[in-house]
Amino acid sequence: DTGVSQNPRHKITKRGQNVTFRCDPISEHNRLYWYRQTLGQGPEFLTYFQNEAQLEKSRLLSDRFSAERPKGSFSTLEIQRTEQGDSAMYLCASSPRGGSSYEQYFGPGTRLTVT
Amino acid sequence: KNEVEQSPQNLTAQEGEFITINCSYSVGISALHWLQQHPGGGIVSLFMLSSGKKKHGRLIATINIQEKHSSLHITASHPRDSAVYICAVPYTGNQFYFGTGTSLTVIP
Repeated sequence: DTGVSQNPRHKITKRGQNVTFRCDPISEHNRLYWYRQTLGQGPEFLTYFQNEAQLEKSRLLSDRFSAERPKGSFSTLEIQRTEQGDSAMYLCASSPRGGSSYEQYFGPGTRLTVT
Repeated sequence: KNEVEQSPQNLTAQEGEFITINCSYSVGISALHWLQQHPGGGIVSLFMLSSGKKKHGRLIATINIQEKHSSLHITASHPRDSAVYICAVPYTGNQFYFGTGTSLTVIP
């Protein structure tokens, strides 16, 4: 399968715990995006990487959130001291080198439930 | 006011019906996406269009840049078309405004 993959698909955690999600983009894609989607809403942009550089961050990405893409391939999104309001679907997308950034391929998402 | 508005929010149709989902936006754009999200979360890009009309199987997307309006049509709808359909427009090179989605249920 050559699509965007995300792990885990589902995560249930207790409030206050730290969680980390992983995204593996399509192999030749150098651009990677993280989004958050709450129930009944469209996705909201969180952050964007070009290769290993984090070039854009949303105001939604509080100090408890950190994203990395150390080798320009897979990316991780960590949430520290989770709160119930963090419960959402976290989506990753990637875009090909040289292509339009409008052309984004989405992964299946990681659904986080904070109890 | 949201920059991207979709209607209807929820839609129930009988199998075989012709379906239309509408998207209006308030920002200047060069392209618009229609996305499909099935229960369980994953999003699939259906169309990216900047003018006119595109067709893929039973799906047709149209856009009128002057009127800032796009429509997604599904002909001969089928229960497997049941999903949330999301309209998205870029507002910087790397960020999008997303609509809240239209939840479609097609009944056999």
